Amino acid sequence: AQSVTQPDIHITVSEGASLELRCNYSYGATPYLFWYVQSPGQGLQLLLKYFSGDTLVQGIKGFEAEFKRSQSSFNLRKPSVHWSDAAEYFCAVGEPGRDDKIIFGKGTRLHILP
Amino acid sequence: DAGITQSPRHKVTETGTPVTLRCHQTENHRYMYWYRQDPGHGLRLIHYSYGVKDTDKGEVSDGYSVSRSKTEDFLLTLESATSSQTSVYFCAIRTSGSGHDTQYFGPGTRLTVL
Repeated sequence: AQSVTQPDIHITVSEGASLELRCNYSYGATPYLFWYVQSPGQGLQLLLKYFSGDTLVQGIKGFEAEFKRSQSSFNLRKPSVHWSDAAEYFCAVGEPGRDDKIIFGKGTRLHILP
Repeated sequence: DAGITQSPRHKVTETGTPVTLRCHQTENHRYMYWYRQDPGHGLRLIHYSYGVKDTDKGEVSDGYSVSRSKTEDFLLTLESATSSQTSVYFCAIRTSGSGHDTQYFGPGTRLTVL
């Protein structure tokens, strides 16, 4: 069965520092992969997505993610975080061809130190 | 913004009362979804719809029903609300085309069952 693991519940980084949020998935073939961000009291906003092709995906707000098949990972990165990046981040995995099969990780809460 | 609105945005109700949440979209997307979000669980799929009057169950459908009589509206009903249904509820639509299926979310409804 599909599953998504975000190993870090909370991460704290200083403003201006680099960021990497981890996401590991379990799926037999190449899934669809997504990262969403949720600010407090808000809905989920799509940051980026991977379906096929180039394994390094660029998203909005300066984020990127790299699909590594050998590691079953889709880690999210940003070279320099801003205080406004403080939010909760969700990795999600979709099964191509399935209407209902998008599984979300439990989220990583990002805290930014001034 | 995928033209999704949810109403009400906040609701407090009592155990045993019926509650209906509405999701409205303006872009004629075929697929619509209801999720609930709880701390430590991420997002979990309740029900989804793949067309007018076509719905199916998700991971946590017990105690919930849905209806879709028009493309633009997807209703979630709690027939007899329980305290365990206190949660934040998100509606989503799915865009599609060239196999690039992506879900976009509404702003959410915070439901408290006393």
